[in-house]
Amino acid sequence: DTAVSQTPKYLVTQMGNDKSIKCEQNLGHDTMYWYKQDSKKFLKIMFSYNNKELIINETVPNRFSPKSPDKAHLNLHINSLELGDSAVYFCASSPRVGRGETQYFGPGTRLLVL
Amino acid sequence: AQKITQTQPGMFVQEKEAVTLDCTYDTSDPSYGLFWYKQPSSGEMIFLIYQGSYDQQNATEGRYSLNFQKARKSANLVISASQLGDSAMYFCAMRDQISGFQKLVFGTGTRLLVSP
Repeated sequence: DTAVSQTPKYLVTQMGNDKSIKCEQNLGHDTMYWYKQDSKKFLKIMFSYNNKELIINETVPNRFSPKSPDKAHLNLHINSLELGDSAVYFCASSPRVGRGETQYFGPGTRLLVL
Repeated sequence: AQKITQTQPGMFVQEKEAVTLDCTYDTSDPSYGLFWYKQPSSGEMIFLIYQGSYDQQNATEGRYSLNFQKARKSANLVISASQLGDSAMYFCAMRDQISGFQKLVFGTGTRLLVSP
């Protein structure tokens, strides 16, 4: 009964490959996010979706394409992976209103591009 | 643009003592929210505590309390009676509104080490 889940937890791949990370939340939240945490532990927003609609795109390269088939799922597809894409990717969700719209994070996906 | 500053890259505390982790912020938005998250070595991001800019009282959640000083634009996290399991990275974050929707802007984090 995990609130926000991500698969896979670890992803090791070669440069140039295409990969996807899946995220699901069972909290009934309207808004979902993707964050990237770099090697220095700095966290930065990449995308946000509200009810399947893209609302935030923080100048992320076109190689990154989020997809939200329904409001409980937000997947991240990455084309032509580069070494600099190595990071931890966190999915998060929040309610539209209430308690400051606190964001709850998934366990993270550790991506290593070789 | 909103900014969060955490000036302590690392902090040490002995078990059972209290510790304060500093966070200052910068915003021109009169309505904002401040959050603290814990990231243990296992890597997950755990929500700890929230403070709204209009909240009259400082937020508390168990052993966590937020020392919110609006005029100084600071939102320090106080952990009372530290435990070994409190050893982790701690991130301060602010809600940044874009067209009515929020994203979180994070500080660089403070690594806390609790010693026996």
